[in-house]
Amino acid sequence: GDSVTQMEGPVTLSEEAFLTINCTYTATGYPSLFWYVQYPGEGLQLLLKATKADDKGSNKGFEATYRKETTSFHLEKGSVQVSDSAVYFCALNSGNTPLVFGKGTRLSVIA
Amino acid sequence: NAGVTQTPKFRILKIGQSMTLQCAQDMNHNYMYWYRQDPGMGLKLIYYSVGAGITDKGEVPNGYNVSRSTTEDFPLRLELAAPSQTSVYFCASSYSIDRLTEAFFGQGTRLTVV
Repeated sequence: GDSVTQMEGPVTLSEEAFLTINCTYTATGYPSLFWYVQYPGEGLQLLLKATKADDKGSNKGFEATYRKETTSFHLEKGSVQVSDSAVYFCALNSGNTPLVFGKGTRLSVIA
Repeated sequence: NAGVTQTPKFRILKIGQSMTLQCAQDMNHNYMYWYRQDPGMGLKLIYYSVGAGITDKGEVPNGYNVSRSTTEDFPLRLELAAPSQTSVYFCASSYSIDRLTEAFFGQGTRLTVV
C-alpha cells in the first residue's frame, strides 16, 4: 500500500538557518503530495502541495519539488524563524482513498 | 468561517467509560475523516465517510464506532475506553477524495484514559 517516510526528528535550528526535511514515498499510480504543518495546540493546516512530477509547491517561504525519479518531496526553507517551530507532516493522495501521512517531524527554531 | 469544529478539546475518561467525540463542518463537504495522532507515529485513519449514511473503516477502527446521519456531522464513539485509546483525535473533511483535493482539519480532542 501507499506509504510516506519522513526524516526522524526533532530538528533544532538557529534562526536564519537553512531547513531541509526529507520525505520519500511509495505509491501506486501518480499521487499528489502535500506538506501539512501543525503549530502548537492546533490542528493540521495545508502548507503546500504539488500534483504532478516536477511541480514545485511554495508558501510562506517554504518550497518542495515533486521528484518522481527519486520518489521524494523534500521540504526546504532558506531562512527559518522562531515562528516556524511546529510539526511538519508529509502526505500523499493517490486518489479515491484518504490522505496517507508520514510520522511527522518536529522543528524547533531558537533565537 | 468555522470550518471543522471538534468538541470537547480535552477529556479524561476512566477505563470502561464511553464517550462521543463530536465533529461538525460547515463547508458542505461530502467526505469526513477521523484520525488519531500518537507521539512519533503520525496520523492513523480510524474511520471515514463518503457521504451521509456511508462509512468505512480505516487502518485502526477497533474500539470505535461512527455514524453519519447528516452531511455536517460525523461523531466518533468510544464504547469501552481503554488506556490504548489515549491519543489526540483529529476530524477532517474534504470536498472530494480525488488526488487533487486537500483536507481541512479541526483543532483536535486530547483524550486521556486512566
